[in-house]
Amino acid sequence: DVKVTQSSRYLVKRTGEKVFLECVQDMDHENMFWYRQDPGLGLRLIYFSYDVKMKEKGDIPEGYSVSREKKERFSLILESASTNQTSMYLCAILGLTGTEAFFGQGTRLTVV
Amino acid sequence: LAKTTQPISMDSYEGQEVNITCSHNNIATNDYITWYQQFPSQGPRFIIQGYKTKVTNEVASLFIPADRKSSTLSLPRVSLSDTAVYYCLVGVPTGRRALTFGSGTRLQVQP
Repeated sequence: DVKVTQSSRYLVKRTGEKVFLECVQDMDHENMFWYRQDPGLGLRLIYFSYDVKMKEKGDIPEGYSVSREKKERFSLILESASTNQTSMYLCAILGLTGTEAFFGQGTRLTVV
Repeated sequence: LAKTTQPISMDSYEGQEVNITCSHNNIATNDYITWYQQFPSQGPRFIIQGYKTKVTNEVASLFIPADRKSSTLSLPRVSLSDTAVYYCLVGVPTGRRALTFGSGTRLQVQP
C-alpha cells in the first residue's frame, strides 16, 4: 500500500513563525508536489520537485520555499507565516509513468 | 495546456448510473485524460486514466470519442459514499503540469 505521509494533520502557528511541513513517501517516486487548497480556488501548485535538490516554482510560490535533500522527503517551508497562508496543504507524488498520483492526507494549517 | 470544462455540480440517487462529461477542446496529441475523486478534508484519489476509446476498471469507465475533445466518466450504480468532487485533468502526465486541477464537479448522491 502506497504511503504518502504528511507530518501533521492539524497545525496552529503564530504570524511570523517559520513553519515546516514535511511530506514523506515510500514509493521511490521522482516527482513530488506541494499544493494548497482553499474554498472556491481549488488546488493550486506551490512547488514541484522532480529529483533530489531539484525544484520548480509552481503558480503561487511567494512566501514559500522547499527542500528536497533525500528522494523520499519533500519539505514545504513558510519563511514567515502570515494569516493569508491559512489553508489546507496537500503533498502528492507521481511516478515516471505518470499514471496515478498519490496524495497525503493533508495538513490544515491555521496561522493566527 | 488544455483547459477543461466540467459541470459545477450534479445530483443523483443511489443505484443510478452517473455520467460526468469533461470538455477539452484544445487537447494536444500527447495529452492524457485522468480523473480524480476528492472527499472533504482528504487529498484527491486517482480513479482512471485514458488516452482514447474506452477504459474500464473496477471503479469506473472512461469514454473518449475519436476527436478526444471531450471525455465522460461513468460511475455505475452510485452509492451515498460516491458523494465527492470529481476532477478531470488533461495533459502530459509528467512534469510540473502533470497534476493541474480545475474546479471539478461536485456530485451529490441522495438516498
